[in-house]
Amino acid sequence: QSALTQPASVSGSPGQSITISCTGTSSDVGSYNLVSWYQQHPGKAPKVMIYDVSKRPSGVSNRFSGSKSGNTASLTISGLQAEDEADYYCCSYAGSSTLVFGGGTKVTVL
Amino acid sequence: QVQLQESGPGLVKPSETLSLTCTVSGGSISSTTYYWGWIRQPPGKGLEWIGSIYYSGRTYHNPSLKSRVTISVDTSKNQFSLRLSSVTAADTAVYYCAREPGSDWLDYWGQGTLVTVSS
Repeated sequence: QSALTQPASVSGSPGQSITISCTGTSSDVGSYNLVSWYQQHPGKAPKVMIYDVSKRPSGVSNRFSGSKSGNTASLTISGLQAEDEADYYCCSYAGSSTLVFGGGTKVTVL
Repeated sequence: QVQLQESGPGLVKPSETLSLTCTVSGGSISSTTYYWGWIRQPPGKGLEWIGSIYYSGRTYHNPSLKSRVTISVDTSKNQFSLRLSSVTAADTAVYYCAREPGSDWLDYWGQGTLVTVSS
C-alpha cells in the first residue's frame, strides 16, 4: 500500500481556478469511486471537502469539485480565495476496508 | 453535533507502547453506519491512515503498521483506543481520531494530540 502521488505545490491568483491531481494505482483510485479530499490549515485538523470522488458534504462551498479518470483523481478549486490557502490531501479506499492518503499539496494564493 | 477528543500521554519512551483513547460525544459509537479510525501526521509531513474499528470490534489496519497496532472499542464508555507497540522516534506525530461513514472517508475529526517518542 503506497501513498498516492500529489504535486508538492500548486499556486494561483485570486479568482482563478486550480486543479490538484492525485495519482494512484489500479488497486486503489482506479478500482473504486471512493476518493476523498481534505483541506488542512496550519495547526488544525483536516476537513473533508469532497467524498466519493465528487460529492460535497453539507456546508462545503460549491467552488470545490472533484473528478476521476482512470488511476488519477482531481480536485478543482474555482474562484480561488485567500482562505483556500492550505494543504490538501487526497485519500482513496484501497480494498479490505483500508484507506491510503496522498502526500499532500500546498496551495498558495498569490 | 458529533465531537471526538483524543487523550493520552504526550511523551513515550522508545521501545515502549503508545496508548491513546478517543472519546466520542454527540453520537453513539455503536451505530451500525460508522467505522472509527486513527490517523497520524509526523511534524511537517503528510497524513497516514493507521487503522479503524467497527462497533462489533472488527478491526482493519494499515499493512505497514499492522504488526504493532491494536485498536479496541469500549461501547459502554463510547470510546475507542489505539495501542502502538515498540515505538521509535519515527512514531512521533500528531495522532487524530475520526469517524468513517462506510469506511471510505472521514467526516468528523478530533483536534489531534501530539505524541513525542523520546527518552
